[in-house]
Amino acid sequence: ETGVTQSPTHLIKTRGQQVTLRCSSQSGHNTVSWYQQALGQGPQFIFQYYREEENGRGNFPPRFSGLQFPNYSSELNVNALELDDSALYLCASRGGGTGGPVLEQYFGPGTRLTVT
Amino acid sequence: GESVGLHLPTLSVQEGDNSIINCAYSNSASDYFIWYKQESGKGPQFIIDIRSNMDKRQGQRVTVLLNKTVKHLSLQIAATQPGDSAVYFCAENMRGSQGNLIFGKGTKLSVKP
Repeated sequence: ETGVTQSPTHLIKTRGQQVTLRCSSQSGHNTVSWYQQALGQGPQFIFQYYREEENGRGNFPPRFSGLQFPNYSSELNVNALELDDSALYLCASRGGGTGGPVLEQYFGPGTRLTVT
Repeated sequence: GESVGLHLPTLSVQEGDNSIINCAYSNSASDYFIWYKQESGKGPQFIIDIRSNMDKRQGQRVTVLLNKTVKHLSLQIAATQPGDSAVYFCAENMRGSQGNLIFGKGTKLSVKP
């Protein structure tokens, strides 16, 4: 196990609702990235947080937002849910700041979000 | 746009045989590549990496080959075991991207006992 935990494990929401997913980083890791993994696809980078600020973002609309807390835990918030938001949401943590080696990036088990 | 992709979506091998999983990439600015293994219900797990200035790297039962001429990456698993059954992803890190990985679609490896 990596030490990265995510909650909840599974979640079902209705289109138009809002959702908050949570991630607890591995001890000592100060950078967290969030990925969306649609069924049968590879993970797609959403954004990265370091020192409580977003410092990198993939091709996702503003209704995907996040937070990082002083203890390095993180949240992913999605507003106005759409059916296509149904996916596995993964967070990954690493140390060393934004220049830290990606090789030491550890993924959590993910949150399976279903939008109906 | 530039992306990482895989040649085969599924691969079925006999236990004890060697497995080869292939990946094509198109971004010449990538400075290293990583292979991940993802089992059902789990997040991706690091297997092995290779930097763009290398052609080959070996780990325990795994070897990664990088051919920059044709922008091709492969993962070789020796003496494949049932525990190797999973989906395998290659991912590339673009130089200067602050560690944000671009993943391919994945290859599902099934090992027959």
